Amino acid sequence: NAGVTQTPKFQVLKTGQSMTLQCAQDMNHEYMSWYRQDPGMGLRLIHYSVGAGITDQGEVPNGYNVSRSTTEDFPLRLLSAAPSQTSVYFCASKDLDSVYGYTFGSGTRLTVV
Amino acid sequence: KQEVTQIPAALSVPEGENLVLNCSFTDSAIYNLQWFRQDPGKGLTSLLLIQSSQREQTSGRLNASLDKSSGRSTLYIAASQPGDSATYLCALFHASGGSYIPTFGRGTSLIVHP
Repeated sequence: NAGVTQTPKFQVLKTGQSMTLQCAQDMNHEYMSWYRQDPGMGLRLIHYSVGAGITDQGEVPNGYNVSRSTTEDFPLRLLSAAPSQTSVYFCASKDLDSVYGYTFGSGTRLTVV
Repeated sequence: KQEVTQIPAALSVPEGENLVLNCSFTDSAIYNLQWFRQDPGKGLTSLLLIQSSQREQTSGRLNASLDKSSGRSTLYIAASQPGDSATYLCALFHASGGSYIPTFGRGTSLIVHP
């Protein structure tokens, strides 16, 4: 099915380890973004991109890097994992030329121990 | 800065009731508004999107309305079922400064018991 695909679904990291959360969409959406969702905090924007080669910071970018080399992929890198990064991470995309809203991936549940 | 409030935060009702979930916002200069459903441990599924020029959208037992003058959107669920149990979030896309970064509400957690 067309949509936003996130991998892995679950991950446990040790403090200080690095990893990349993958996000891919096959809808040719220009806009892609990463959110984290924590109890009592709602959804918070980490980074976003309005097209290949263009990225920008959201509300909580520290500790995360992104790149957008293709329209389809928008990976999120944790440079040195910390327990505070334990969260559920969602990728979302949007067609900037249409009135339609967001399409979300199914999420990655990350635990940092 | 746009603020989005969803009240109540939690709701528990018996099966069969008609429900109204509320989403209030402070800035009426919106581009559109999207309602999502999130099941426990799952991602967000889009339910309905209302454009700024529209007053309501319907899909099956769901009806979403938008009143920009009062800063309010409601999601009406008719004849609720246990399968409707989930968290419902609204997201406002703004008319200025880029219409692609929404403000999300914190959601209403709904339990429909048999």
